[in-house]
Amino acid sequence: NAGVTQTPKFQVLKTGQSMTLQCAQDMNHNSMYWYRQDPGMGLRLIYYSASEGTTDKGEVPNGYNVSRLNKREFSLRLESAAPSQTSVYFCASSEGLVPFKNIQYFGAGTRLSVL
Amino acid sequence: GQQLNQSPQSMFIQEGEDVSMNCTSSSIFNTWLWYKQDPGEGPVLLIALYKAGELTSNGRLTAQFGITRKDSFLNISASIPSDVGIYFCAGQGGSEKLVFGKGTKLTVNP
Repeated sequence: NAGVTQTPKFQVLKTGQSMTLQCAQDMNHNSMYWYRQDPGMGLRLIYYSASEGTTDKGEVPNGYNVSRLNKREFSLRLESAAPSQTSVYFCASSEGLVPFKNIQYFGAGTRLSVL
Repeated sequence: GQQLNQSPQSMFIQEGEDVSMNCTSSSIFNTWLWYKQDPGEGPVLLIALYKAGELTSNGRLTAQFGITRKDSFLNISASIPSDVGIYFCAGQGGSEKLVFGKGTKLTVNP
């Protein structure tokens, strides 16, 4: 039971470099999410995809883009990394957005440092 | 949008003590979830609540969906060292998305 798999686990970038964080789930979930976690800030939603083919902005979308490649995969791209994007990034998935289907399952995270 | 206030921000307790933490919202919720995050890992669901007044247990953990639908509580009885971590509440109301509190960091001294 893999659940939600994120790659890579760790990454160091230089300012201005680009990279894509990968996320895949094997639970046949419709909805997927990207969060960032900073000390004392909890989990802040970057983007989400309610269902295959749709994406929407969350609380902190600036500097990021996403792609819902298919039902299983949801990627997060940093086009030009900045030190302020140093964080731990979590991908999550759920059956849907409504009660009883809205339990989110998280990956183990990607720890990103931008120098 | 919906906002959650989770308290306390951190707790330092002795092994064997009971723990209580809570979340309050500015609006009515129809879902409360409690997660635990171990160091270096992603959050894992502990308890899900969907009905006002609901009281649910998971081992030494007990959570309640407040009657006003604007708050929820998590209690841990007889804490042990492996209870260390960050506990998050999450809530959802109406057609809004799930929102997360900022977490309560628990330290248990043996």
